[in-house]
Parts: sequence; C-alpha cells; structure tokens
Amino acid sequence: EPEVTQTPSHQVTQMGQEVILRCVPISNHLYFYWYRQILGQKVEFLVSFYNNEISEKSEIFDDQFSVERPDGSNFTLKIRSTKLEDSAMYFCASSAFQLAGYHEQYFGPGTRLTVT
Amino acid sequence: ILNVEQSPQSLHVQEGDSTNFTCSFPSSNFYALHWYRWETAKSPEALFVMTLNGDEKKKGRISATLNTKEGYSYLYIKGSQPEDSATYLCALGLYGGSQGNLIFGKGTKLSVKP
Repeated sequence: EPEVTQTPSHQVTQMGQEVILRCVPISNHLYFYWYRQILGQKVEFLVSFYNNEISEKSEIFDDQFSVERPDGSNFTLKIRSTKLEDSAMYFCASSAFQLAGYHEQYFGPGTRLTVT
Repeated sequence: ILNVEQSPQSLHVQEGDSTNFTCSFPSSNFYALHWYRWETAKSPEALFVMTLNGDEKKKGRISATLNTKEGYSYLYIKGSQPEDSATYLCALGLYGGSQGNLIFGKGTKLSVKP
C-alpha cells in the first residue's frame, strides 16, 4: 500500500541553524501539507501546497519557513533559523483531491525536530 | 478561534470492553469531520471522513456517528483489543475554499489491557 515517507525520523539542531525536513508524498497525489505538533499540544496546520505554489498558510508559517517541491517526488520544509520553540513533531501529508478538508489526507510518520 | 475538543483525554479499558469517545466542534462552517488513529512512531491512519448530518460509518469493530447541528461526533470501538491501543484524533475540515486546513483536537489516548 502506498505511503507517505519522511526523513529523518529525528533531527537535532542548534538554535539559529537551518534545517530541511524531507517528505516523499504518495506518487499520484497532487496536494501536499505540513503540520506540526508541539509536545502536549494539538496538531497544527502549517501550509498547503499545490501546483508548485502555496495554497494556504497559517500564522505559524512566517518568513522563517519555506516549502519546495524540488523534483517530482520530494516535498521539503525548510526552517531558516531555528528557534527553541520550533521543537516539535513535523508531519507531512498528501491528498489526491482538491478541497482536501473533504477528502482523506495521508500522513507520514513525522520528523521529531529538537532545537537546543 | 475555532476549537475542536475531544473527551476523555485518556481511557484505560480491559480487553473485550466496548468504549466510546467524543469530538465536539463548532457547527457553523462545518465541512467535514475526520477521524484518525495514531499509534506511537507510526503515521496517523485515516479512519473516516464524515460530511453529512446523521452520517454513520463503520470499519470492522470501529464505528462513528456525526451530528453537525449540535456539533459532535462519537467514535465507538466494540470489543476492544490490545492492538486498538492508540491515540484517536478528530479533525475539522472547514467550508470556505480551504485547501485542506484541518483543525485537530488533542486526541483521546486509549489503552487496552489484555
């Protein structure tokens, strides 16, 4: 069964460093998302991406964050200068359909980012 | 600020017990209600996407109901098994052209003892 994969599973970085989190969505999906969950809190939407551009982003997704689909398979989230409060589990998701609030989103297993 | 609430936060049951938990959400701008099952170190797994008031969906021993007018959904597990131990998340999809922004509850953590 096709699945969303994410690498690395755990990333430790120092404050101020840049990190890139990588995702390989399901191959025939067209809509891609990043969410995060700070320990003990709810899963929060960060950004959605379609047709090589951002469709929607939350207030969390400020200028420190960027997303890219550098080739036909990868979808990346970059944090330019990490802060302690960026420590969280970051989930990638993909969907085959538009208006994906209405359709299933398929999630990866997450990357745990720890900023020290 | 839209808020999705789940209760209880955690639940401990014995194998064979049936159980249920609740997801509450604001009924205005309702579009869809998603249930996910999330085992530690694995991907959250989609269980149901529910859109219509009165909807009832079933997958094996797990079923869910939806009341959009009063803003709640119930998830039922019949005859719980240890492998049902997981966190169950609900998420609200909003009407209004959103490209997929889901608003999640905090989850109900279920532990099933053999």
